[in-house]
Formats: sequence, structure tokens, C-alpha cells
Amino acid sequence: DAKTTQPNSMESNEEEPVHLPCNHSTISGTDYIHWYRQLPSQGPEYVIHGLTSNVNNRMASLAIAEDRKSSTLILHRATLRDAAVYYCILRDGSFGNEKLTFGTGTRLTIIP
Amino acid sequence: DARVTQTPRHKVTEMGQEVTMRCQPILGHNTVFWYRQTMMQGLELLAYFRNRAPLDDSGMPKDRFSAEMPDATLATLKIQPSEPRDSAVYFCASGLIGGTYNSPLHFGNGTRLTVT
Repeated sequence: DAKTTQPNSMESNEEEPVHLPCNHSTISGTDYIHWYRQLPSQGPEYVIHGLTSNVNNRMASLAIAEDRKSSTLILHRATLRDAAVYYCILRDGSFGNEKLTFGTGTRLTIIP
Repeated sequence: DARVTQTPRHKVTEMGQEVTMRCQPILGHNTVFWYRQTMMQGLELLAYFRNRAPLDDSGMPKDRFSAEMPDATLATLKIQPSEPRDSAVYFCASGLIGGTYNSPLHFGNGTRLTVT
């Protein structure tokens, strides 16, 4: 499985934007970039995913580098509820090979 | 919102006892995953099924763990006999996967297992 590298932890002030980086230099052409987050005492929760183009949804934005070797998850206005561990995961889009392999993620702390 | 339901939420048992964890995937989802989370190892994939058939159980200790899907609405993970090192949170996830479409995975809130 292609691996991702994320900072172990980050802090951000409440109501400010947060940029969570992820490096994936060995990404293959069929790998989608997925982001999940895990709130305390809960299962992981899907945030967003993309292949080549930047993506926006109600939770966040995903900015993907032109060479696809890195990406950034953007939370536009962090709230206390966004404190979680954020996982950047490469998921092979080939049929039969779609499992998610989790790394250690980035623990995001929101400062009130 | 449709949810993946896991029972029980918490289980405390003694070493050597059988443990059964249950998962109800989201209706219409054809793929079910079992993960285990510990502080030391993080989230590990144990096994997954598509259309109730096991596709990959390479992450599961075969001698004591077994995973089944008796029907489309129920997935089970059994440990017999349980050991203290099995203490962890076990998550079930489901998704709709086929052809060129891979839905995001929806996770339950887990079963926290403590083996004493």
C-alpha cells in the first residue's frame, strides 16, 4: 500500500482556518486521496476525497498538488467540535482493492 | 441518517471466554469491514466481506478469531478463547462498492473489549 506522511499533531485557534498537510510521494495513478476523522470515543468519519482536482463539500475542502504527491485538507473555520484525529489515506480505486489502511494521523487541537 | 450499529458497546470478560461482537451494516451496503484499534497499533484491518463472502481475512489471527455474515443484515466477529492482548476497540464499517463506484465507508461506534 502506498503510504502517507502527516504531522503527529497540530493546534489551531477556534474560528480560524486550519490547513492539514499530507505527503504521498509514492501515490499511484489509481489511488484516490481520502480523509477521515475520528472524534473522541467514536468511529472514524468520512470527510472528503479526491483524485486530481480540488474538492469542496460542506465539511471541508481538499487541495491536491498538481503532481499529486501532496494534498491539504482545509477546514475553513474551525470549531471545538473539529478537535479530532485526521487521517489521510490512499485508497486504490481498482475493483477488489478498495480497503482503507489507516496510518497514525494528525491530532488536531482547537484552542478556544 | 442511516448508521452502522454495533453491539455490545462495552464488553468485559475473563481470559478464555468466548466473545461475540455484532454489526448491522447500512441497508444496501454490500461490503463490510472489521477493524481493531489499540493505542500501540492504531487502526488495523482484520477482515472484510463483499456480498457476504470473505474477501480478505489476512489481518486476523486465524487460530482464535472468526468472522461471518449469516445474512446481509448481520456481521459477527468471534474470539475463542479470548486473551488479554485482545483488549481493544473493534469497529465495523460498511460501504457500497462495485465497478467504478466506491462509496465512503461508514463506521459504527465500536465495541470496547476488555479481557482480564
